[in-house]
Formats: sequence, structure tokens, C-alpha cells
Amino acid sequence: GAVVSQHPSWVICKSGTSVKIECRSLDFQATTMFWYRQFPKQSLMLMATSNEGSKATYEQGVEKDKFLINHASLTLSTLTVTSAHPEDSSFYICSAFGQGGYEQYFGPGTRLTVT
Amino acid sequence: GQQLNQSPQSMFIQEGEDVSMNCTSSSIFNTWLWYKQDPGEGPVLLIALYKAGELTSNGRLTAQFGITRKDSFLNISASIPSDVGIYFCAGQQMLDMRFGAGTRLTVKP
Repeated sequence: GAVVSQHPSWVICKSGTSVKIECRSLDFQATTMFWYRQFPKQSLMLMATSNEGSKATYEQGVEKDKFLINHASLTLSTLTVTSAHPEDSSFYICSAFGQGGYEQYFGPGTRLTVT
Repeated sequence: GQQLNQSPQSMFIQEGEDVSMNCTSSSIFNTWLWYKQDPGEGPVLLIALYKAGELTSNGRLTAQFGITRKDSFLNISASIPSDVGIYFCAGQQMLDMRFGAGTRLTVKP
């Protein structure tokens, strides 16, 4: 399979501050990565598709100015939650297609808590 | 995005029992996938299905890609305590992936 890592695994920040989450493909190159958000006891909700070298594609209802995505290399995508509020507290998970291009492999997730 | 219809929502079974869960969709998919998620972790891919009618096994897990391409099921045989977790189905068409709401499995020793 393909290995996807995320950093940090958890973060606590104060309301109004910004937080950056990194997603890396460790043993393969990923031109496309995906960012999901998951609330307790719910399924994964796609936030945006991150494309290497170009702008991310956001799902309807996701504020692109609040959730900044940068996919500057074939192995790294970052999600920055700007001016975080308590309602942004959630589990953020990234994924990428494996080398076969048919299956998505997920990172371990980042637990964000905004106080 | 629109979710798939996954059932059951939860299951409480005794160790050693078999488990079955399924997913249906109003849309067709080229790929069906089944993931397992443990608390506080990302989903882990269990089985991927690429052809309508395909039946694939991974140890005690067996999954099938429905002939209509609108459904899939996952069976777990002889369940063990470490099977506890949430199982998600996912249908994929190109870059579009849709998820089921998950089946929460509890296994009593």
C-alpha cells in the first residue's frame, strides 16, 4: 500500500489564531490529495481536492479563505485553518491516491481543538 | 457530498459470529472500497473492488461488487475482539469518492 502521514496528530489553539496541518505521501508521489473533516460519530466529509501546482478545488459550503490549501510539491499538501473558532474543532484527515491510482489511502488524522 | 446508504448503522455481536454489512447507491461506481477506522485514527483500506460481480477476500473479510455497480457488501467471518471499529464503504468514480455513514461494530468476548 501507500503511506500517508500527517503532522501534527493533535493540536490545541486559541480562538482567532491560525493552524497549519501537513499531509505527506511518504513512499509515492501524489499529484492529487484530498482533505476531509470528520465530526464525532459521523462519516468523512470532503472539504477540498488539493492539486499539485494549482489551486485547490473546494466543496460547496467550504470557505476557501478560511481553509487555505497549498500543494507545493508532489509529496506535501498543507491545510491552514485561519482565524480558528471553536466550531472548527474537528478531526481533519487527508488522503491521496496510491500509485495504482484507484484507491485512496488516508493519513492518521489531526485532532484540532480550538479553545 | 452525497453519502451512500450503508446498513446497519451498528452491530453488537458475540466473538466468533459472522458479520455482514452493505452499501447501496443510486449512482454507479467504477470502484468500491471498504475501510476500517479505529478511534482517533484515519481509515485503513481493507478491500478494493474494481469489476462488477467481483468477489474478493482478505483473510476473514470478503467483499463483493454488485452486478448493477450500485451496491457492495462486506462479510467478516469468525469475528474477534480486534474487529471492533467503524467500517465505511466508499464508491469511487474518477476523482469523486462518496462514503457511507459507517457501521459501528462491537464484538463481545
